[in-house]
Amino acid sequence: GAVVSQHPSWVICKSGTSVKIECRSLDFQATTMFWYRQFPKQSLMLMATSNEGSKATYEQGVEKDKFLINHASLTLSTLTVTSAHPEDSSFYICSARLGLAGGPPDTQYFGPGTRLTVL
Amino acid sequence: AQKITQTQPGMFVQEKEAVTLDCTYDTSDQSYGLFWYKQPSSGEMIFLIYQGSYDEQNATEGRYSLNFQKARKSANLVISASQLGDSAMYFCAMREGYYGNNRLAFGKGNQVVVIP
Repeated sequence: GAVVSQHPSWVICKSGTSVKIECRSLDFQATTMFWYRQFPKQSLMLMATSNEGSKATYEQGVEKDKFLINHASLTLSTLTVTSAHPEDSSFYICSARLGLAGGPPDTQYFGPGTRLTVL
Repeated sequence: AQKITQTQPGMFVQEKEAVTLDCTYDTSDQSYGLFWYKQPSSGEMIFLIYQGSYDEQNATEGRYSLNFQKARKSANLVISASQLGDSAMYFCAMREGYYGNNRLAFGKGNQVVVIP
C-alpha cells in the first residue's frame, strides 16, 4: 500500500514552454501532497504544500506564478512549471501524506520523481 | 539553524556487515517524529522506518533499526547484514509538533556504498 505515482518520469522541453507534472496517490486518499525540488547530490527542498480543494502554500522564495499547483482531487496534484527556463532544470519529486488511518502518522510517501531538462 | 544534521562523509561498507548512519536533530517540541528514507540512484524516496518521540522502544523494521537516544537528540539508523541493494543515499527527517503538522525537515543525507 501507500503507492504514489508521478508522470512523466522525465521531460525535455524548450525554453519558454510550460510543463505539467502529475502526482497521484494510487491506493489511498491524500488530502495533503507536497512538492519538492532536488539538485544533484543535495537534499530535498520543499517548494509547496498542496491541500485538496484549497490554494497551495508556497515556501519562501518559491514563485507562485512560476510553479502552479493544483490539487483538484484527493488523489491528484499537479505542478505546472510555466515559461520554463534552463535554471528550472531539476529533479522534481512529490509526496503524499498518509493520514492517521494506517501507518506511522504523517509519513510521506514519495513518487518516483520527474527529471526536467529545459533547453 | 539546521533541524537535522547528517555529517558523515560517504561510507563504504562490506556486504553482510552492519552500518550505522548518524542523525542528530534540534527541536524544542516534546512531540515529534523521526523518519529515515532511502534514495537509490533511480531517485525515488523510500520510507524505511519511523520513531515517535514518545515511543519507549527503538523502532525496528526488518534489517533496519533506529537507535533513538532522546537525551542526546540522536536517531541513528542501523542497517544490519548489508546487501548490495542498500547502496543509496539515506535521509533523516523530522516532523515537529503533533500529528497533522505535515512538514518534514530533511537532513543532507548519508551516501552508502556496499561493496562485495
